[in-house]
Amino acid sequence: EPEVTQTPSHQVTQMGQEVILRCVPISNHLYFYWYRQILGQKVEFLVSFYNNEISEKSEIFDDQFSVERPDGSNFTLKIRSTKLEDSAMYFCASRGSLVGAGELFFGEGSRLTVL
Amino acid sequence: GNSVTQMEGPVTLSEEAFLTINCTYTATGYPSLFWYVQYPGEGLQLLLKATKADDKGSNKGFEATYRKETTSFHLEKGSVQVSDSAVYFCALSDQRGAGSYQLTFGKGTKLSVIP
Repeated sequence: EPEVTQTPSHQVTQMGQEVILRCVPISNHLYFYWYRQILGQKVEFLVSFYNNEISEKSEIFDDQFSVERPDGSNFTLKIRSTKLEDSAMYFCASRGSLVGAGELFFGEGSRLTVL
Repeated sequence: GNSVTQMEGPVTLSEEAFLTINCTYTATGYPSLFWYVQYPGEGLQLLLKATKADDKGSNKGFEATYRKETTSFHLEKGSVQVSDSAVYFCALSDQRGAGSYQLTFGKGTKLSVIP
């Protein structure tokens, strides 16, 4: 069964360092998303990406964040200079154009710990 | 703005017990409603959904009915199994046009089923 894969599963970094989280969405999907969940809090929307550009972003997604689809398969989230409060589980998701409303397919998540 | 409130966990039940996880929402317009499940070590998976008032979503013995009058979408299962142990997330969708699409999640409820 097709699935969304994310790497790394866990990354520990020092405050101020750059981090890149990688995702391989399902191959024929067109819409891509990043969500995050700070421990004990809600899963929050960060950004959506369609047709090679950001279609929507939340207030959380400030200038420290960027997304890229560098080739036909990967979808990356970059945090330029990490802060302690960026520690969270980051989920990548994708959706195909023919899939019904809300049927996002999620990866297992990448846990980021900023020290 | 949109929001989802779900029952705080963790919830511990014996096998074959009845499960209810409460979920209420606040939204403008007519959102679709979802339950996602996250099994240990896996990503978020769509469990069931309902797209309009009075719709009942069902899957794997779980059910939830879209109640517009009470703005609720409570998850129920008549007889839980150990394999149902997971974190359950209630969510609503907010379609804003092609590629611009968000899910608003609740905090998640951890369910542990003991033999």
